[in-house]
Amino acid sequence: GAVVSQHPSWVICKSGTSVKIECRSLDFQATTMFWYRQFPKQSLMLMATSNEGSKATYEQGVEKDKFLINHASLTLSTLTVTSAHPEDSSFYICSAQDSLFNTFGSGTRLTVV
Amino acid sequence: KQEVTQIPAALSVPEGENLVLNCSFTDSAIYNLQWFRQDPGKGLTSLLLIQSSQREQTSGRLNASLDKSSGRSTLYIAASQPGDSATYLCAVRRNNDMRFGAGTRLTVKP
Repeated sequence: GAVVSQHPSWVICKSGTSVKIECRSLDFQATTMFWYRQFPKQSLMLMATSNEGSKATYEQGVEKDKFLINHASLTLSTLTVTSAHPEDSSFYICSAQDSLFNTFGSGTRLTVV
Repeated sequence: KQEVTQIPAALSVPEGENLVLNCSFTDSAIYNLQWFRQDPGKGLTSLLLIQSSQREQTSGRLNASLDKSSGRSTLYIAASQPGDSATYLCAVRRNNDMRFGAGTRLTVKP
C-alpha cells in the first residue's frame, strides 16, 4: 500500500530557530500534499495545501511567512517553521494525495523551548 | 467551508459492548469519507474509507455507513475490546480538501 514517510518524528529546538519537516511519498506520486497541526486533545487542523511546482494555499489564520512550504517534486514536500516560539509546539502531520487516496505521515512532535 | 462534527466527544463502555460513533458534515458534495484511529501521541491509522458512491464498508468488527444526502456517517464497533481504546476521527474529502472532526475519545473498560 501507499506509504508516506515523515521526518523527523520528534524535534526539540530553541526559541528563535527554524525547523524543517520532510514529507515523502515513497511509492506513488502525490499531486497534492497537505499539512495539518494538532494541539493536545484537539483535532487536526488544516494549515495549508500544496501542489507540486506552485505556491501553497494557506488556511485563514496561518502565517505563510512563518510556515514555509516547499513542494518541489511529486514525492517531496517540506514544512519549515521559522523563528519558532513555544506556542508553535504541536504535532504536525502531512498527507499526500493521489487521485483516490490520502495517505498520512506518522507525524512530527515539535517542542520549542 | 466544510464543517465536520463528531458525537459524542467521549465515550466509556464496558468490554464486549457494541457501540456507534457519529459523524456529520455540512456539505454533501464529498469525494469520500474516512475513519481513522489515533492513539495518544501517535499518528493516524486508517480504518475504513467510503467513496461517495458507496453506502458502507466493513472490516472485521468495524462497519462504517455513509448517508451523503443527510450528511452523516456512523462507525459501528462490535464486541468492543480494551485495545479499541483510542480517539476515532472522521475526515471528509471534497475535491482537494480534507477536513477532520474533533474526534470521539473511546475508553473500553476491562
